[in-house]
Amino acid sequence: GQQLNQSPQSMFIQEGEDVSMNCTSSSIFNTWLWYKQDPGEGPVLLIALYKAGELTSNGRLTAQFGITRKDSFLNISASIPSDVGIYFCAGQPPSNTGKLIFGQGTTLQVKP
Amino acid sequence: EPEVTQTPSHQVTQMGQEVILRCVPISNHLYFYWYRQILGQKVEFLVSFYNNEISEKSEIFDDQFSVERPDGSNFTLKIRSTKLEDSAMYFCASSIQPPYGYTFGSGTRLTVV
Repeated sequence: GQQLNQSPQSMFIQEGEDVSMNCTSSSIFNTWLWYKQDPGEGPVLLIALYKAGELTSNGRLTAQFGITRKDSFLNISASIPSDVGIYFCAGQPPSNTGKLIFGQGTTLQVKP
Repeated sequence: EPEVTQTPSHQVTQMGQEVILRCVPISNHLYFYWYRQILGQKVEFLVSFYNNEISEKSEIFDDQFSVERPDGSNFTLKIRSTKLEDSAMYFCASSIQPPYGYTFGSGTRLTVV
């Protein structure tokens, strides 16, 4: 089945540092979504990417949809303590049922 | 901001019992989904539902699982005979048309004892 490989698995950084995480797959996806999940909560959408090559920003967050449609990255600039959480990539395969395939998640910890 | 609402937030059930997890999707959304997340693991797709029928289901979604939209606002997931390994967070989601407006609820934590 389709799988997403998300890396790194975890990061422990100093406040103010930039962060980068990515997802790759052997399969193509029509859409890439990046979510943040706080403990005991559902995933909250950060950025959605709909076209290959698309580069989108949301405040300090920037994400890109890889040109091959098989990868995506998320950058967080000037991290702050509230950035702590688990970040998931999710890809929508080329079916129109809406199924999302999630990566394994990147746990981010920010030291003040 | 419109929300997907799930109830209950936490359900404890005995192994072998039936459970029904409830969701109220965003009112103008047409596509509905269930996902699960075992503690410490990634979110896994269970089923998508559109036009009153299942449009896709995963291998996890076996005969013990069923979904229903009993009225114009609720969307339910039923597990007929729960097993210990069904313990997980279950998330409902809805979208206008995938992938637009894809919104998750806060989840129901199911604990099977």
